[in-house]
Amino acid sequence: DAKTTQPTSMDCAEGRAANLPCNHSTISGNEYVYWYRQIHSQGPQYIIHGLKNNETNEMASLIITEDRKSSTLILPHATLRDTAVYYCIVRVAGAGGTSYGKLTFGQGTILTVHP
Amino acid sequence: SAVISQKPSRDICQRGTSLTIQCQVDSQVTMMFWYRQQPGQSLTLIATANQGSEATYESGFVIDKFPISRPNLTFSTLTVSNMSPEDSSIYLCSAPGGAGVSEAFFGQGTRLTVV
Repeated sequence: DAKTTQPTSMDCAEGRAANLPCNHSTISGNEYVYWYRQIHSQGPQYIIHGLKNNETNEMASLIITEDRKSSTLILPHATLRDTAVYYCIVRVAGAGGTSYGKLTFGQGTILTVHP
Repeated sequence: SAVISQKPSRDICQRGTSLTIQCQVDSQVTMMFWYRQQPGQSLTLIATANQGSEATYESGFVIDKFPISRPNLTFSTLTVSNMSPEDSSIYLCSAPGGAGVSEAFFGQGTRLTVV
C-alpha cells in the first residue's frame, strides 16, 4: 500500500469547514483513498473513500486531485464532536483477496474543533 | 455496516498472566483483524484471522505471544500471553463490512493495563 503524509495537527472553528489534506504521491492506479477517524477512546470509524472522482456522503466530501497524488477531506460544518484523529489510508479496494479489510495506519491528523 | 462487540472493554492485569479478548461480529465474515494501539501511537496490525486456518501474523508479532482463535465466521479471540507492562495498549478487532463492501469496521477496543 502507498504511504501517505498528513499534517500532525489542525484547528478549526465550530461551524466552519474543516479541510484535511493528505499527500499520496506514490499511489498506484488501482489504489483507493480511504479516510477514517478515531474519536478519543473509541475504535476507528470509516468516513469515506474514492478512486479518482470526488465523493460525498452524509459525513464528508472527498476531493482527489486529477493526478491523484493528493486529496482533501472536507467536513462542511465542523462540530465539537468532530474532534478526532483523522487517518488517510491508500489501499487496493474490493471484496476478496488477502488485503481485504486490512489497513495500514499512519500517524494521522489531530483535528481540534473549538467553540 | 457491521457491528463489532469486544469484551472486556478494559482490564488491569498482573505481569506474567494472560488475558483473552473476545470479538463478536453481527454478520458472517471470512477475515477478522486484530490491531494494537500503544499509548499515543497509531494502530498496528497484529494478525489476520481466517476461519478454518491458522492466523497470519505481521512482522514483529508471534503466535506464542498472541495466540488467536477463529472458531466460526462471527467470532474470534486474541490472547495476550505472559504479559509485561510493555503490553499495555488498546487492542482492537476489525472486520470488513460484508459482501461487496470494502470498508472495515472496528470494535470499541480493549484497554489493557499491565502492572
